[in-house]
Amino acid sequence: DAGVIQSPRHEVTEMGQEVTLRCKPISGHNSLFWYRQTMMRGLELLIYFNNNVPIDDSGMPEDRFSAKMPNASFSTLKIQPSEPRDSAVYFCASSYLRLGELFFGEGSRLTVL
Amino acid sequence: DQQVKQNSPSLSVQEGRISILNCDYTNSMFDYFLWYKKYPAEGPTFLISISSIKDKNEDGRFTVFLNKSAKHLSLHIVPSQPGDSAVYFCATKDGQNFVFGPGTRLSVLP
Repeated sequence: DAGVIQSPRHEVTEMGQEVTLRCKPISGHNSLFWYRQTMMRGLELLIYFNNNVPIDDSGMPEDRFSAKMPNASFSTLKIQPSEPRDSAVYFCASSYLRLGELFFGEGSRLTVL
Repeated sequence: DQQVKQNSPSLSVQEGRISILNCDYTNSMFDYFLWYKKYPAEGPTFLISISSIKDKNEDGRFTVFLNKSAKHLSLHIVPSQPGDSAVYFCATKDGQNFVFGPGTRLSVLP
């Protein structure tokens, strides 16, 4: 079975540009999470969806960040406009709640110059 | 304020010895805990979990201990191997959400 698939793996962009990160969760999973990893804060939750519905977006830092899940097999995290402080590794993860375990993608490393 | 704390950012252990990674949490209502392991340039992978109805769970070289009264859990790796060198995250389920600690970088020296 394929795991969680994220793209792109690496993104280098200039300040002010729009960035879109993509995620395909594991088939059959009904929850999807976006995390951001930084040296200072470790793994912080940005937003999570249950059955394609956003449940908690309190971790989204600013209005510049938005996330969508148009169907059970695809989600996007968009940053517009991007800033250097957004540089981090962004992880997507999915789970099937009863199993109580979270499966992560390999991450998208974002560098904003 | 962090709900899950890992107060040691790093730990170095000699190969063959025991590694003990610690984790503290703030909310006594948390009832399910997990440990994840992360290698560079990869996503975190699930290692072991424990429910609050237990105080110990073992899987091969990995054992997790839970002390509910102290709101503390620990991960023991015995014997430690160089391939165990990674960042270890403690996590808990808070409703439908997973809350992670900041991680501890373990280095197992040959």
